[in-house]
Amino acid sequence: AQRVTQPEKLLSVFKGAPVELKCNYSYSGSPELFWYVQYSRQRLQLLLRHISRESIKGFTADLNKGETSFHLKKPFAQEEDSAMYYCALSVGSQGNLIFGKGTKLSVKP
Amino acid sequence: DVKVTQSSRYLVKRTGEKVFLECVQDMDHENMFWYRQDPGLGLRLIYFSYDVKMKEKGDIPEGYSVSREKKERFSLILESASTNQTSMYLCASSSIGQGARYEQYFGPGTRLTVT
Repeated sequence: AQRVTQPEKLLSVFKGAPVELKCNYSYSGSPELFWYVQYSRQRLQLLLRHISRESIKGFTADLNKGETSFHLKKPFAQEEDSAMYYCALSVGSQGNLIFGKGTKLSVKP
Repeated sequence: DVKVTQSSRYLVKRTGEKVFLECVQDMDHENMFWYRQDPGLGLRLIYFSYDVKMKEKGDIPEGYSVSREKKERFSLILESASTNQTSMYLCASSSIGQGARYEQYFGPGTRLTVT
């Protein structure tokens, strides 16, 4: 079965602390994974995709096929990182995504 | 600037009413999607469309239908609204390009309350 699991509903850290948002997936094919972010009162938007191997706003995510994980990491959290984060898995060839249930990140001053 | 617009930000309807949610994109995207977003449940796909007049059921299509008569417009229809359809509805679009098909652009959402 195709599935994306984000085990934490809420993650609270202090400014400057490292942050890791967990994402695990279940997919029989070759996965493409993404992180989407929704800041307060803003639209949901793409943050990064594993295939690009890029760092956006200091965030990185590495695909670990052995552990079927795609955790999002940032070494030093900022208050402006507070948002809802969704991990997403591509399914099929047309552009469909399966989203996890989301993790709300709260960065305290 | 990429734009996906939704007809209403907030909507209050009564049980049994027929409800239309409209979504328009100006990016000439082939793919369009309707999701509902609920706390603790994430985003769940209701319907999607790959082309004009094409539609496919998502994970939770019951109680909903869609219409795509023009490429830029994708409508979600609640034939007879019920209280369990109270939710935030998000529209999204994407192109079919190899590198871009999974980058979905979202609208601002419509918060629907059914009383």
